[in-house]
Amino acid sequence: GAGVSQSPSNKVTEKGKDVELRCDPISGHTALYWYRQRLGQGLEFLIYFQGNSAPDKSGLPSDRFSAERTGESVSTLTIQRTQQEDSAVYLCASSLGPVAPQHFGDGTRLSIL
Amino acid sequence: AQKITQTQPGMFVQEKEAVTLDCTYDTSDPSYGLFWYKQPSSGEMIFLIYQGSYDQQNATEGRYSLNFQKARKSANLVISASQLGDSAMYFCAMRGGYQGAQKLVFGQGTRLTINP
Repeated sequence: GAGVSQSPSNKVTEKGKDVELRCDPISGHTALYWYRQRLGQGLEFLIYFQGNSAPDKSGLPSDRFSAERTGESVSTLTIQRTQQEDSAVYLCASSLGPVAPQHFGDGTRLSIL
Repeated sequence: AQKITQTQPGMFVQEKEAVTLDCTYDTSDPSYGLFWYKQPSSGEMIFLIYQGSYDQQNATEGRYSLNFQKARKSANLVISASQLGDSAMYFCAMRGGYQGAQKLVFGQGTRLTINP
């Protein structure tokens, strides 16, 4: 597609449920990133994928968070046993390579009740 | 560790005036990149401009320019002839050189409001 596509755009769920967020990067972009943005804050890095290399998971806040990406296509970010502190906008970005500018999707706004 | 500091939580500027948004950074990497992104109220992150640490000239993109002062570790964004549509949050971000080269470290942002 023309840009990074994320779904759903909004997700409301109860505390303790699992959620899965999806990111479809720009075609041809080998690098994919997930960030979290809490209300009124800057973005926090979560995880990075580059081709078939092992992902950089250094930003994942707990073992409740995981992400997968198959090749250079779609990625899913999964949050298990959601907590209220997980409420945030989750942004996905992709780039042509690790040093190229990152282009962001519109994000998924996650609200935990 | 890398760090980005944006000291202006909010700025108010009259339309058509130029505006400078401050950004200072801290890193021990000799090679790094600096980015500015715009985030309108709709939430998307829009890439504006990039400056590499070894670039000899300041980056420019249309009405945007980056005032890169390496010795001071500052990378201020200058918007010339501001427009009402420039009202948004602006984030400065850094990409590291060797370790953590891929992820972006963001500042807290500056909310810019352009008044008619």
